[in-house]
Amino acid sequence: AQSVSQHNHHVILSEAASLELGCNYSYGGTVNLFWYVQYPGQHLQLLLKYFSGDPLVKGIKGFEAEFIKSKFSFNLRKPSVQWSDTAEYFCAAATDSWGKFQFGAGTQVVVTP
Amino acid sequence: GAVVSQHPSRVICKSGTSVKIECRSLDFQATTMFWYRQFPKQSLMLMATSNEGSKATYEQGVEKDKFLINHASLTLSTLTVTSAHPEDSSFYICSARDGGGSTEAFFGQGTRLTVV
Repeated sequence: AQSVSQHNHHVILSEAASLELGCNYSYGGTVNLFWYVQYPGQHLQLLLKYFSGDPLVKGIKGFEAEFIKSKFSFNLRKPSVQWSDTAEYFCAAATDSWGKFQFGAGTQVVVTP
Repeated sequence: GAVVSQHPSRVICKSGTSVKIECRSLDFQATTMFWYRQFPKQSLMLMATSNEGSKATYEQGVEKDKFLINHASLTLSTLTVTSAHPEDSSFYICSARDGGGSTEAFFGQGTRLTVV
């Protein structure tokens, strides 16, 4: 069965620390991968996406993610977080490029000043 | 980016009543919209795909008679939870795809439904 799993439900870290959120997927065939962020009280926003090509994808707000096909992973990273990165982060996969997603459970990230 | 507005953001209703949730694309035409629900500490689960002018496609295990979806225009899809019960309490989120060919889906802010 197709699935997306995120390794951590809650992460707490200090400003300037590095962040890495794990995401693994289980899909047969071609898959498109996404990271979304939801700030408190706001819509889900697209951070970055991977369809094909360079497996290291750069997104908005200094985030990047690396697609490792052999590990079925698409981990999200940011070298130095800010207090404003406090949010919930969702990894998602789709077999088409637009809209029918399978989401991970989400990771709540809290950045302390 | 494009904006999808969902209304209401929170609703409390009595068991047995029906609740309608609206999802509007404000600055683009959405030929396809998607409805998700999220239980606490769980993933967003796709409920159905709503296509303008045609019947919605429901995911396995989702009761189409309980969760009525109408997508009568290119900017509006509605989800009606009929005869709501406490187990229907959840967070419902819609997303919309720009019919102009964008490869990105845009999300509403979600609706917290509480059935008492």
